[in-house]
Amino acid sequence: GQQVMQIPQYQHVQEGEDFTTYCNSSTTLSNIQWYKQRPGGHPVFLIQLVKSGEVKKQKRLTFQFGEAKKNSSLHITATQTTDVGTYFCAVSYGGSQGNLIFGKGTKLSVKP
Amino acid sequence: KAGVTQTPRYLIKTRGQQVTLSCSPISGHRSVSWYQQTPGQGLQFLFEYFSETQRNKGNFPGRFSGRQFSNSRSEMNVSTLELGDSALYLCASSLRTGGANSPLHFGNGTRLTVT
Repeated sequence: GQQVMQIPQYQHVQEGEDFTTYCNSSTTLSNIQWYKQRPGGHPVFLIQLVKSGEVKKQKRLTFQFGEAKKNSSLHITATQTTDVGTYFCAVSYGGSQGNLIFGKGTKLSVKP
Repeated sequence: KAGVTQTPRYLIKTRGQQVTLSCSPISGHRSVSWYQQTPGQGLQFLFEYFSETQRNKGNFPGRFSGRQFSNSRSEMNVSTLELGDSALYLCASSLRTGGANSPLHFGNGTRLTVT
């Protein structure tokens, strides 16, 4: 079946450093969503990207959708301890029958 | 607005038993999706119900089944439990079906342990 690759699997950073996670698909995507799951919690929706080349910002978080709509990235500037958690991309390949397919996530730890 | 409610939060069952998990979506949401989350496999899609009809199904054996009621509440059933079924089962509701531009709102999950 269709799969989405998310890298890296783990990322350890010092507080204040930047962080980026990438989501890649071999097939053109309809849209992509990003979620954050805190330790012991459940995934929480962050943002959705639909248009080719789209860039959206939420405070220190920047989300990008590739021009070919096959990849996406989430970049956090100057990480804080509150950024700790696992970041998932979830992709849709289109069609009203399609379900969201989640990447395996990038687990971010931040050392104070 | 109340969030997605899943019951129970924790379950311990033995192999061969069956289990039923419940999910109440956000008011007004007609789509309910179920996911299995394990450390090794991540979030895997089980199935989605919309207006009492199963719209999508993931690659899980027939031991995993579900249904949705007229009030959009959903139940998931797993029969003949196996050790590998131990996981966090997450329910998510959304306004529209599938990945059709509609964010998923997850519940806190049911942690199932099979011994």
